[in-house]
Amino acid sequence: AQTVTQSQPEMSVQEAETVTLSCTYDTSENNYYLFWYKQPPSRQMILVIRQEAYKQQNATENRFSVNFQKAAKSFSLKISDSQLGDTAMYFCAFNGAGSYQLTFGKGTKLSVIP
Amino acid sequence: GAVVSQHPSRVICKSGTSVKIECRSLDFQATTMFWYRQFPKQSLMLMATSNEGSKATYEQGVEKDKFLINHASLTLSTLTVTSAHPEDSSFYICSASGRSGQDEQYFGPGTRLTVT
Repeated sequence: AQTVTQSQPEMSVQEAETVTLSCTYDTSENNYYLFWYKQPPSRQMILVIRQEAYKQQNATENRFSVNFQKAAKSFSLKISDSQLGDTAMYFCAFNGAGSYQLTFGKGTKLSVIP
Repeated sequence: GAVVSQHPSRVICKSGTSVKIECRSLDFQATTMFWYRQFPKQSLMLMATSNEGSKATYEQGVEKDKFLINHASLTLSTLTVTSAHPEDSSFYICSASGRSGQDEQYFGPGTRLTVT
């Protein structure tokens, strides 16, 4: 069974600064997908960024980028130029290539301080 | 982007009654829909996976007879909480996927259920 671990329950960052959220996972599969989801106070789950395991290049979406280390099974999220609207719960998630299901980590609560 | 709606957004019901939550994919055909439950300050817990036209697959520990799931069309899935009890109070979230569940999941806005 796959597991996803987010070791930082809470983090804070000053507005305009950069923050990195950690995520590690455990799997015996070689092909899979990794995601970071954001859940703001509205509780709507929003996809932030997605990474296919077979791609060596780290995914980037505007201010959001990942550091994907397949051998280490690590998938961290870097948020640059943090904005107040980035305040939310962030969930790391795993989806095996042969599976329909997402496995979520416990989440990291990020607070952006003005 | 793909849009998934849920209705109602909030519902309060009395203990012993049943309540139905709808999940709709508005601009795409959802081959697979997922139902999650989220307790306060916790992660999402998958309850069941449903494919259009077939029976839902429930996760271990989820009562099939209590949480009835119907996925009758490619744009609609329903979750019915039967004989609700206060411990069923929670935030329920659905998601929908277009290609046999291996595509990106698009999440609904969630439904807050309170059982009094």
